[in-house]
Amino acid sequence: DIQMTQSPSSLSASVGDRVTITCRASQDIRYYLAWYQQKPGTVPKLLIYGASTLQSGVPSRFSGSGSGTDFTLTISSLQPEDVATYYCQTYDSAPQTFGQGTKVDVK
Amino acid sequence: EVQLLESGGALVQPGGSLRLSCAAFEFTFSSHFMSWVRQAPGKGLEWVSTVSSTGRNTYYSDSVKGRVTISRANSKNTLFLQMNSLRAEDTAVYYCAKVRASETYYDAYDYWGQGTLVTVSS
Repeated sequence: DIQMTQSPSSLSASVGDRVTITCRASQDIRYYLAWYQQKPGTVPKLLIYGASTLQSGVPSRFSGSGSGTDFTLTISSLQPEDVATYYCQTYDSAPQTFGQGTKVDVK
Repeated sequence: EVQLLESGGALVQPGGSLRLSCAAFEFTFSSHFMSWVRQAPGKGLEWVSTVSSTGRNTYYSDSVKGRVTISRANSKNTLFLQMNSLRAEDTAVYYCAKVRASETYYDAYDYWGQGTLVTVSS
């Protein structure tokens, strides 16, 4: 089974900061990676699919990159509404796997 | 607007059974693979199962394999999850989720239901 390791597990940054979250797969998953945002008490929301394609309606400050085993989610300028837990997910094969999540707070 | 409405969650004793349903609206249900994803209280997301658009192919996590059956009724735009031999560790909110692109397993989930809570406890 593919393991997905996210880092850091949590971070706190100031409004306007550039924030980077990484996700590493235990084996090559090509570009079959998605990023989700889950705000407290809400349903997960798709941000990025295919490792780097922005889902319709998602602000352009979010971007994704990577392929193979190493992937990155970047928030170019952190906003107060970005407080959430972020998950990566691979759909390269079964079983699918989510990362353990990265909790993002604003200082 | 696409909607997914889960139902069937309940408090059930260990060893019991439960059937979850997910009614789908405003998209061509029969063209999309569908999945169940769960989230234990205060924990992260865990993929449970996926079914192909026709229902012919099914996929399960190791943690539920042999105890859970995913199915769908395309004529009724409804997804199901039959859960047997339930354990305390199955306690979670269960979400149904739609695969973004049609006729493929290999894509992300673009719509999620609000979830239904399954509590396994005596």
